[in-house]
Amino acid sequence: EIVLTQSPGTLSLSPGERATLSCRASQSVSSSYLAWYQQKPGQAPRLLIYGASSRATGIPDRFSGSGSGTDFTLTISRLEPEDFAVYYCQQYGSSSITFGQGTRLEIK
Amino acid sequence: EVQLVQSGAEVKNPGESLKISCKGSGYSFTSYWIGWVRQMPGKGLEWMGIIYPGDSDTRYSPSFQGQVTISADKSISTAYLQWSSLKASDTAMYYCARRCAAADAFNIWGQGTMVTVSS
Repeated sequence: EIVLTQSPGTLSLSPGERATLSCRASQSVSSSYLAWYQQKPGQAPRLLIYGASSRATGIPDRFSGSGSGTDFTLTISRLEPEDFAVYYCQQYGSSSITFGQGTRLEIK
Repeated sequence: EVQLVQSGAEVKNPGESLKISCKGSGYSFTSYWIGWVRQMPGKGLEWMGIIYPGDSDTRYSPSFQGQVTISADKSISTAYLQWSSLKASDTAMYYCARRCAAADAFNIWGQGTMVTVSS
């Protein structure tokens, strides 16, 4: 089973700043199979990025994904107040799906 | 509108059985995989398993194999997650989610079903 490790665990930033979230896999992941989600308190997760770099429908272009192999990044170019939430990466491989443990993005 | 609507919150005693549901609408239910995801209180997301309602092909996470059963009734566009004997450690929010047509990601999520197991 592929283990995804996200860093940092918590990221404290101010609105307007740039956020960089990391997701590292224990073995190589096909870029087609790496996704990012946002979850706010009391809500279901929302798909942000699929295929490592493709934005899901309705996702603002301040969100971008990049990476390949074992290292992937979610970047939020300029934080809006509504972006403070928990972010998860997810991979699919060999008929098994795993999530990272999450990065909490909090207001500084 | 494409949506997944889950059954309501449950409070159960340890040892009891339970089946929760996830009804799809606004799309061809038999054509998309439906997954189940657990979120224990204050914790992260855990994939439990996935089913293709068209032929009931089902895959389980090794962590949940034998602990739960995933099924679907395509005649009523509903997927299920069931337990035969609940434990206190099954207390969690459970989400169903539909896999994208174009990628291995979940783009449509149900609202979640909170299951509380307590004596």
